[in-house]
Amino acid sequence: GQQLNQSPQSMFIQEGEDVSMNCTSSSIFNTWLWYKQDPGEGPVLLIALYKAGELTSNGRLTAQFGITRKDSFLNISASIPSDVGIYFCAGQLGYGGATNKLIFGTGTLLAVQP
Amino acid sequence: DSGVTQTPKHLITATGQRVTLRCSPRSGDLSVYWYQQSLDQGLQFLIQYYNGEERAKGNILERFSAQQFPDLHSELNLSSLELGDSALYFCASSQPRDRANTEAFFGQGTRLTVV
Repeated sequence: GQQLNQSPQSMFIQEGEDVSMNCTSSSIFNTWLWYKQDPGEGPVLLIALYKAGELTSNGRLTAQFGITRKDSFLNISASIPSDVGIYFCAGQLGYGGATNKLIFGTGTLLAVQP
Repeated sequence: DSGVTQTPKHLITATGQRVTLRCSPRSGDLSVYWYQQSLDQGLQFLIQYYNGEERAKGNILERFSAQQFPDLHSELNLSSLELGDSALYFCASSQPRDRANTEAFFGQGTRLTVV
């Protein structure tokens, strides 16, 4: 099935460090979303981006919608142990209720050492 | 809590059997999506329903089917199960508005194990 290219695949960092991950696509999307998934749980929405070039923050999280509409990045500042999990980007074509399906990235596993 | 409810949380069944997974979307959401997550394939879109009608189809096998009922809850039916169907199955819902794009909120998933 179709997946977006997400990097890095995994990151092992110390508490307090900043983290950056990105997602690229060969297709244009109208929306980029970032989710976090804990083991055995469903993905939880972190940030939604709707306009090319848009920069949005949610607490220590900052995400940007690339100008070309084919990429997005997520930054986490001053990481803490509860940031551990798998982070997924997702692209959405989106035209009303018709085709809002999400295409997901391959995921970035984040481990934070206290 | 996303507001999306999935049952059951766990399911263990034998090959060749049929199971039904259930999803209740967030209150007011008209769209329901089903996703399959396995270790080697990541999160894969299966199918979308909008207000009772099928709207988009992904890599859904012919052995799988879904429907959305008038009260907007949805069921995913998996039949002639194979070992490779073992995975996490997620339901997500969203509410279309006048703008083109809406966020999708996920349930906690059903872990299906086929033995």
